[in-house]
Formats: sequence, structure tokens, C-alpha cells
Amino acid sequence: ETGVTQTPRHLVMGMTNKKSLKCEQHLGHNAMYWYKQSAKKPLELMFVYNFKEQTENNSVPSRFSPECPNSSHLFLHLHTLQPEDSALYLCASSQQRGLYEQYFGPGTRLTVT
Amino acid sequence: AQSVTQLDSHVSVSEGTPVLLRCNYSSSYSPSLFWYVQHPNKGLQLLLKYTSAATLVKGINGFEAEFKKSETSFHLTKPSAHMSDAAEYFCVVSDEYGNKLVFGAGTILRVKS
Repeated sequence: ETGVTQTPRHLVMGMTNKKSLKCEQHLGHNAMYWYKQSAKKPLELMFVYNFKEQTENNSVPSRFSPECPNSSHLFLHLHTLQPEDSALYLCASSQQRGLYEQYFGPGTRLTVT
Repeated sequence: AQSVTQLDSHVSVSEGTPVLLRCNYSSSYSPSLFWYVQHPNKGLQLLLKYTSAATLVKGINGFEAEFKKSETSFHLTKPSAHMSDAAEYFCVVSDEYGNKLVFGAGTILRVKS
């Protein structure tokens, strides 16, 4: 089973709330990723961290703020979200950035009301 | 720039019959190509990857895919479907270094008993 865990699994929040998504990997990897999976849209890469440094931000709105305190943990801080931000947020990790298999967590189902 | 098109949003097969999930790609680099599977309420799992070695790639659970440069295709096949293969499958293209991953929209595979 997956070595990547995500909490919470489900989250309902209002547009004025502040919440955080947490991802933890137990695989000794050095790269971590946040993806957004919306209904009827392809999976979108949001952020990439390699050795705790952010290496990619795919034009994500500033209401999403990532944090990577160490190679095992990744957070996504959320504030003043919009209903269209409702989606499944997936975390992944890999040995490092590049042609390495990415291991995905089960995701957090976010609903913004 | 890279893009990937999964030609079928849904595929339905009977148990024991062959599976064909179609994927076409476009890339200005020498591409790397992947197939991932997502079972309900689970994260994505890598099935196989092509990285400019053998054009016929074997993956887990009896799946394989053939890279055809002349047709810009990377179709996923399996000789005999199992009920446990019912899931959503994603074709992914990246540059030769594994950066800039682009996901297809996904194909939902249904296996009938």
C-alpha cells in the first residue's frame, strides 16, 4: 500500500476559512508534489519541491500557499478559497525530481461552500 | 510544448477479453511516457514508463504499451481483462528529464462479468 499519507481525507470549508492540507511520505524521497484533480479536467501539477526547495509553481493563485519544512512533509495552506477550488488534492513523492516513479497519496477531497 | 490525448473517455470490455486504451501525444522534446492507474478513492499508481529504451514496455498486472514514434502513440494493452482492472487510467507525457509532466484526461475502464 502507499507510503504517502494525506490528512484530512475530506474537508468542507467556507470561503473565508483558513485550513491546511498535510502530506507525509515514509519512503525516504526528496521530491514532493501537489496536484489538483477536478472533475472532467486533466490532473494539474501545482507545486514541486526538490530537496525542500520549491522548483515549480504552475501559476497557482496565491490563495494556495505550499510549505515544505523537510523532505518528509508537505503542506498546502488554504485561505479565501473559491467554490471552483473544490477538487481532489493529491500529494506525491519521488526519489528526486526527474524520471523517477511518483508515489501518490489517496488525496484530500475539498469542498468549498 | 507537450500534450496528450486519450482518445476514449470510457472503455467497456468483458472479463477475459483484451483491453486497448489509446493515447496520442505531442512533444517538442524526446518524450518520456507513462501510464498511471487510479482505483476509486485511491491515489495514482504507476503501471509502466517509456524512457527511450525498448519501444515495447511491460508493466505491472500484465499491462504493456508500445511506443510508436511514427504514429505518436503510446497505447496501453492487456491480453485478458480482470474485474480488478476496472479503474481510471491516465496517459502522461514529459520531457526527457521527467519534468513538465502533462496528464491526459483519463479513460475509465469498465470490466463486465
